[in-house]
Amino acid sequence: DVKVTQSSRYLVKRTGEKVFLECVQDMDHENMFWYRQDPGLGLRLIYFSYDVKMKEKGDIPEGYSVSREKKERFSLILESASTNQTSMYLCATLSGTTYNEQFFGPGTRLTVL
Amino acid sequence: AQKITQTQPGMFVQEKEAVTLDCTYDTSDPSYGLFWYKQPSSGEMIFLIYQGSYDQQNATEGRYSLNFQKARKSANLVISASQLGDSAMYFCAMRGSNAGGTSYGKLTFGQGTILTVHP
Repeated sequence: DVKVTQSSRYLVKRTGEKVFLECVQDMDHENMFWYRQDPGLGLRLIYFSYDVKMKEKGDIPEGYSVSREKKERFSLILESASTNQTSMYLCATLSGTTYNEQFFGPGTRLTVL
Repeated sequence: AQKITQTQPGMFVQEKEAVTLDCTYDTSDPSYGLFWYKQPSSGEMIFLIYQGSYDQQNATEGRYSLNFQKARKSANLVISASQLGDSAMYFCAMRGSNAGGTSYGKLTFGQGTILTVHP
């Protein structure tokens, strides 16, 4: 079974802080994704990566950046956290051969005060 | 651009009855995939079922079936014999065509439907 882990389940930060959300997968999948989930809006794609050091913007990349130095690790970075970035953040991974089921991490609930 | 619409913010069903969760989609891709995920209160996303746009038969997985009507662009989830453990948020999602390798399996999600199963 694919295992996707995220560094924290809950995180509280202050406005203006730099925030790192880490995601690690153990199945050698090429594609990794960061989503944010907000009530009434579903999940929205922030960034994704299809290979090491490769990244592409999703639908809502503003205020975020990402890093993928190793295949198994995909980090989401909030350069200067703001209160409107309070949300649930979900990481997912996907095989580059089957393109079917995405496997999700447990999520990080981030609160920015 | 792809769009998924779930028009039911909340649904209620009696235990052991069947329930249908609605999902309509819009895409210009000739080939696409449709997914349903379940998210219990604990927050994890659980994959339920997948339907490819060229699949001739509706997908089924145990008590879950996907009522795929391509002409209507709908992909409703049917849960038979509801159980209390089915109470959760349900998301419909779409993956666009991977021809040319540009979509990389990105998913577009609907807003979600909260299902409550009453005993």
